[in-house]
Amino acid sequence: SQKIEQNSEALNIQEGKTATLTCNYTNYSPAYLQWYRQDPGRGPVFLLLIRENEKEKRKERLKVTFDTTLKQSLFHITASQPADSATYLCALARSGTYKYIFGTGTRLKVLA
Amino acid sequence: SAVISQKPSRDICQRGTSLTIQCQVDSQVTMMFWYRQQPGQSLTLIATANQGSEATYESGFVIDKFPISRPNLTFSTLTVSNMSPEDSSIYLCSVESRDRGAFFGQGTRLTVV
Repeated sequence: SQKIEQNSEALNIQEGKTATLTCNYTNYSPAYLQWYRQDPGRGPVFLLLIRENEKEKRKERLKVTFDTTLKQSLFHITASQPADSATYLCALARSGTYKYIFGTGTRLKVLA
Repeated sequence: SAVISQKPSRDICQRGTSLTIQCQVDSQVTMMFWYRQQPGQSLTLIATANQGSEATYESGFVIDKFPISRPNLTFSTLTVSNMSPEDSSIYLCSVESRDRGAFFGQGTRLTVV
């Protein structure tokens, strides 16, 4: 069956460092992968989308890589700030569909 | 971008009763999606609601338990029927924006006692 794995443990890092979150998947061939941020009591907020033919995408302090051979995406937040503390979700979808499969998320805490 | 309003934001319900969750979008959309997020779990798609046709349910979800209405292009409801404590969860509606991911409502936190 399809499976998406994200670091289940919370990730604590010092302010100013780069946070790296991992999303691994099996038994799936996504056309694109997305990353979302979710704060407590709120719905997820879209951050970045990367397609299967793209290796890397950047947006301000965010960077996403996508390796379809390793079946893995890495999500980086550079110069992290306490305001970046949240749960980050990855989501996969096949081409032509808006049916996403979500990972369980990684809770990030940036320490001041 | 789309702005999605969900009501209620939270509720505590008795087992055996039903709750209807409303989702209002500020623009017309073809498809609306309903998700469930159980404590400590990922989001799971319940169904896709299309205007003018019956909702399409994912494996493990049935219309009798989660009836959905989609009377127009900006509104949908999800009913959680004959609730049990296992239905305690956050329910989210969303719409898709091509290349900009999905927009989600703030969610409805349901507790069944």
